Order: sequence, then C-alpha cells, then structure tokens
Amino acid sequence: DAEITQSPRHKITETGRQVTLACHQTWNHNNMFWYRQDLGHGLRLIHYSYGVQDTNKGEVSDGYSVSRSNTEDLPLTLESAASSQTSVYFCASSDSGRSYEQYFGPGTRLTVT
Amino acid sequence: GIQVEQSPPDLILQEGANSTLRCNFSDSVNNLQWFHQNPWGQLINLFYIPSGTKQNGRLSATTVATERYSLLYISSSQTTDSGVYFCAVDTGTASKLTFGTGTRLQVTL
Repeated sequence: DAEITQSPRHKITETGRQVTLACHQTWNHNNMFWYRQDLGHGLRLIHYSYGVQDTNKGEVSDGYSVSRSNTEDLPLTLESAASSQTSVYFCASSDSGRSYEQYFGPGTRLTVT
Repeated sequence: GIQVEQSPPDLILQEGANSTLRCNFSDSVNNLQWFHQNPWGQLINLFYIPSGTKQNGRLSATTVATERYSLLYISSSQTTDSGVYFCAVDTGTASKLTFGTGTRLQVTL
C-alpha cells in the first residue's frame, strides 16, 4: 500500500545544531508539504513543493529550508535549531491531478534544548 | 488570509450519544477536509468534502459552500472517537491547507 513515512519519530537536539527531518512518500504525488503543530496554533504550513526542483515558503518558513531532488522525498532542514522550533512536524502529500486531498505522515516530535 | 473557526472547542459525550461539529470559513474554498487526530497524534483523513454530503459509517459530513460552513456528524459515539477533530480548507488550487484550531472530543463510558 502507498504510504507516507517520517523519520526520526522523536528527536532531541541542542540549540544551534543543524537538524534534518525526513519525509518519504510512495503515493507518487507531485505535491508535498511540511506543517508544524503547536498548542494554541493548530497546524501551520512551513514549506511546500509542487514537484522536483520546486520549493515555496509557507506561513512560518523562517529558520527552515527544503529541497526536492526527486518525487518521493522532501527533507526539512532546520539550519540552526532554536527552542522556538520545539514542535511536532507533519509531512503531507497530495496529487496535483485528481483531487487536492492531502494525506499526512505520522509526525516527528522535535525537542530543542 | 482565510479564517477557519471550529465549534465547540471542547465536547464531552457519553458513549452512544450523537454530536455535531461545525466549521465556519471566511472565504470560498476549493478544498475542505475533516481530520481526526487520535490520542497518539496521528492525523486520519475523514472526509474530502468541498461541497455536498458524504457518509462513512457512523460519520457524515455536509459542506454548504455558498454559506461557508461545514458540519461533521458523529452518531452513536464510541470511546475510540475521542481525540481532536480538525477542519482544514484551501482557497485556491494550490492545495495549501489552513487549519482550524480543532474540536477536542472526549467520549466517556
């Protein structure tokens, strides 16, 4: 079955370190998204991509970057982790053709100490 | 940007009761989805419903796009229905979802 996976599921890192969160989907979807979830804010869009070599900033993109070198993967990088980036991160994907329904991965809980 | 408001924010039900969750949005939408976030944090797709009515077992949803609201109905609630229910919308064809702040549902025995 097609799926979307994220790794690691949990990570603790120190302030100032670079961190990369992986997202891999086997739906063959063109569109991929990164969201963060914080208490009181729901889910907010960080970055998104409509295809290989395409990346776009979302609502809360400062301090994050993404790259899309193939259809299946959209890694999220925190260049210099800050305590404000402690959050749960969700990756999602959707098909650009048939419908816009998004499917979500299981999430990564990141703690920056 | 678009505003998405969900009500009620919290809901406690006894097992077997019915409930209606509401999602109001401030602009026309091309995509509306309902999700259930279970106690383990997983986001489960319930409905993709930019307009009309759909049913899936004990759950059904209706979106009245012209009046900018959607309703999620849960009948004969079970303890496994507990969690947070999110409504999310997209105003364009870009498939970028804006989430409401959710309705936290607790179903008790």
